[in-house]
Amino acid sequence: EPEVTQTPSHQVTQMGQEVILRCVPISNHLYFYWYRQILGQKVEFLVSFYNNEISEKSEIFDDQFSVERPDGSNFTLKIRSTKLEDSAMYFCASRALGSYEQYFGPGTRLTVT
Amino acid sequence: KQEVTQIPAALSVPEGENLVLNCSFTDSAIYNLQWFRQDPGKGLTSLLLIQSSQREQTSGRLNASLDKSSGRSTLYIAASQPGDSATYLCAVSYTGNQFYFGTGTSLTVIP
Repeated sequence: EPEVTQTPSHQVTQMGQEVILRCVPISNHLYFYWYRQILGQKVEFLVSFYNNEISEKSEIFDDQFSVERPDGSNFTLKIRSTKLEDSAMYFCASRALGSYEQYFGPGTRLTVT
Repeated sequence: KQEVTQIPAALSVPEGENLVLNCSFTDSAIYNLQWFRQDPGKGLTSLLLIQSSQREQTSGRLNASLDKSSGRSTLYIAASQPGDSATYLCAVSYTGNQFYFGTGTSLTVIP
């Protein structure tokens, strides 16, 4: 069964460093999402991406964040200068055209020290 | 601000019991609602999606209902099994894209 994959599973970085989280959505999906979950808190929406542009973003998704679909399979989230409060589990999700069901990847745990 | 609330926060039941998980949302003008399960340290597994025009959806032992006017959804699990132990999350969308998540109900099914 097709699934969303994410790499790495765990990333440790120092405050102020740039990180890139990678996702491979399900192959025929056209809508892509990033969410995050700080330990013990709700899952929060960051951004949605369709047709090579951002379609929606939350207040969390400020200038420190960016997304890109560099090729036909990968979808990335970049954090330019990480802060301690960026420590969280980051989930990628995707959905197909004509369906609103979102499928989530296993997540990348980001630890900022 | 869109708020999604799930009650109870935790639930423990003996194996074989039927159970109901509740989700409520402050703004009833939803586009759709999706139920997920989350195992510890893992990602979210989609269970059921209900469009705003639908009243319920069923998948195996799971049945999700939606009452938009009262801002509520329930997830019914029949004949619970230890493998059903997980956190169940409710998420609502007003655009078909961004989901607002509840804090979840942690379910433990005791063998």
